[in-house]
Parts: sequence; structure tokens; C-alpha cells
Amino acid sequence: AQSVAQPEDQVNVAEGNPLTVKCTYSVSGNPYLFWYVQYPNRGLQFLLKYITGDNLVKGSYGFEAEFNKSQTSFHLKKPSALVSDSALYFCAVRGSYNTDKLIFGTGTRLQVFP
Amino acid sequence: DVKVTQSSRYLVKRTGEKVFLECVQDMDHENMFWYRQDPGLGLRLIYFSYDVKMKEKGDIPEGYSVSREKKERFSLILESASTNQTSMYLCASSQAGGYGSPYEQYFGPGTRLTVT
Repeated sequence: AQSVAQPEDQVNVAEGNPLTVKCTYSVSGNPYLFWYVQYPNRGLQFLLKYITGDNLVKGSYGFEAEFNKSQTSFHLKKPSALVSDSALYFCAVRGSYNTDKLIFGTGTRLQVFP
Repeated sequence: DVKVTQSSRYLVKRTGEKVFLECVQDMDHENMFWYRQDPGLGLRLIYFSYDVKMKEKGDIPEGYSVSREKKERFSLILESASTNQTSMYLCASSQAGGYGSPYEQYFGPGTRLTVT
């Protein structure tokens, strides 16, 4: 069965420092992976997705994610964190090859300190 | 821009009441989804609809039903609300992808439901 894990409930980083939010996955077949962000009292916003090709995927707000097949990981990164990046981040994997359903991780709260 | 709207941001209902949550999308998407979000549990799929009048159970359908009579509208119904259904409910929509074409989902702002 497809699954996704976010091993950290919270990540703290100082403004200006690089940030990484971790995600690992388990799929049968090709992995289709997504990152979403949720700001307080808002719905989820799409950041980026990996389908195939280049292992480094660039997305919105300066975020990027690195796909690593051997480590079954899809970590979200940003070279220089902003206080406004503080939010809840969700990794997701498509349920199976023939469905549009996504399976979401439990979320990681990112706190960026001034 | 894709817009997904939900009928209420906050809702307070009593135990045993029938509750309707409405969702409307304006991008002619085939797929619509209802999730509930609880701290530490992430998003869990309640129901999925891939076409008008078509639906599929998600991971936690018990105590819920859905209706999709028009392409743009997807309703979640709590037949008899219970306190354990207090949660944030999120609606989403997406294009139909299928194999090799995964499309992102677009989310509404959410409805925070409290059942007392």
C-alpha cells in the first residue's frame, strides 16, 4: 500500500538559514509526490510536485524539493528561510497508478524565528 | 485562478443534528474530495467523487454521506452529528488525471465544525 511519512512534527529554523522538511514514501510503481503548505486558518496550497525527470523540483515561494529514489525521500528545501514561511507543511503521494486520490502525511509545523 | 469555496468557515451544531457542508468549484474539475483534518493525523479522505452522481468511499466514510448532483458542487452530509465529528473539514477539486498525469488538488478554506 502507498504511504508517506513525515518524521518531524516540528522544525525550527532561524530566519536567513536554510530549511529542510523531511518526507519519505513507500509506493509500488512510479512515485508521484506533492508538497502543500497550510497557513493559519486557511486551506492547503499546492507548492510543487514530482512526476518524472529532474530530481530537483522547483516550486512556489522559492521552495524546491529533492527526489531521491534510493532513499525513497522527497525533502522540501529552501536556501534562506523567511518568518512568513512559518506554516504547516504536508507531503502527499498519489494513492496508486490509476487513481487521482492522494495520501497525505501527518504534517510538519515549520517555525522560523527572527 | 481556481477557486474552491465552502459554505461556512465556522459551524456549531448539536449532537444528533443533520449537518450539510457545501463545496463549490469554478474550474470545471471532474474530481472533488472531502477530507477531515485533525491534529497529529493529517488529512484523511472521507469521500471522493470523480463525476456527477459518482462517488467512492475514502478512508473514513462512516457517519458521512455525500451528494454530487452538479459538476461544480459537492456536499458532505453528517446524518446524525456526534462529538467525535468535531473537526476541520476541507474540500478539494482537481482535474481527472489517471495514469501518468497526476494533477494537483485545489483546496477550499475549510469549515471548522464543532458538535456539542
